[in-house]
Amino acid sequence: KNQVEQSPQSLIILEGKNCTLQCNYTVSPFSNLRWYKQDTGRGPVSLTIMTFSENTKSNGRYTATLDADTKQSSLHITASQLSDSASYICVVSDRRDNDMRFGAGTRLTVKP
Amino acid sequence: DSGVTQTPKHLITATGQRVTLRCSPRSGDLSVYWYQQSLDQGLQFLIQYYNGEERAKGNILERFSAQQFPDLHSELNLSSLELGDSALYFCASSVAARGQNTGELFFGEGSRLTVL
Repeated sequence: KNQVEQSPQSLIILEGKNCTLQCNYTVSPFSNLRWYKQDTGRGPVSLTIMTFSENTKSNGRYTATLDADTKQSSLHITASQLSDSASYICVVSDRRDNDMRFGAGTRLTVKP
Repeated sequence: DSGVTQTPKHLITATGQRVTLRCSPRSGDLSVYWYQQSLDQGLQFLIQYYNGEERAKGNILERFSAQQFPDLHSELNLSSLELGDSALYFCASSVAARGQNTGELFFGEGSRLTVL
């Protein structure tokens, strides 16, 4: 079983709307959690990194939250734009050896 | 531009053949990671090198091998290719090695391999 589960698998929203992507993990002990954005056919690019003590971190219209107790993270996108269409990947690092566990990603499509 | 360079960008070959994918990490990064991404699938970790030495191995087939050279560039060799090997192969680099506070991964643009 994958130690990082993302939901939904895919999502279609209208331009200007908000959306929230979920990431649940079982990786333990936890080191950090990153959200990456991957445009189709391109390499992933880091959006945010969160450590154990951080609850919320923003990067422009992207806001990530972390609940280390329930092992859940979310990525909230505000006022979506067409360019937000991409896959969003949650990556959780193990504190023992910093092995990175990748979620399968959520594919977001923003329509005009 | 992540600073990670991968070549070739596209490669088409036949089953049974062998190919080599090349990656130049960001200047100063000692770790190189290889990932495979099949169509509509997530990133699958293959292997990591740190400063020339293999540090971690993922789901890498025996037909695949990699190495990191003294100048820190890395090559991924894929042999006896099968149709199912068609995928995007990403290289990523970071400053840190396994066992240290891992930094951000910087990904290249990928090499798209098509096996016919």
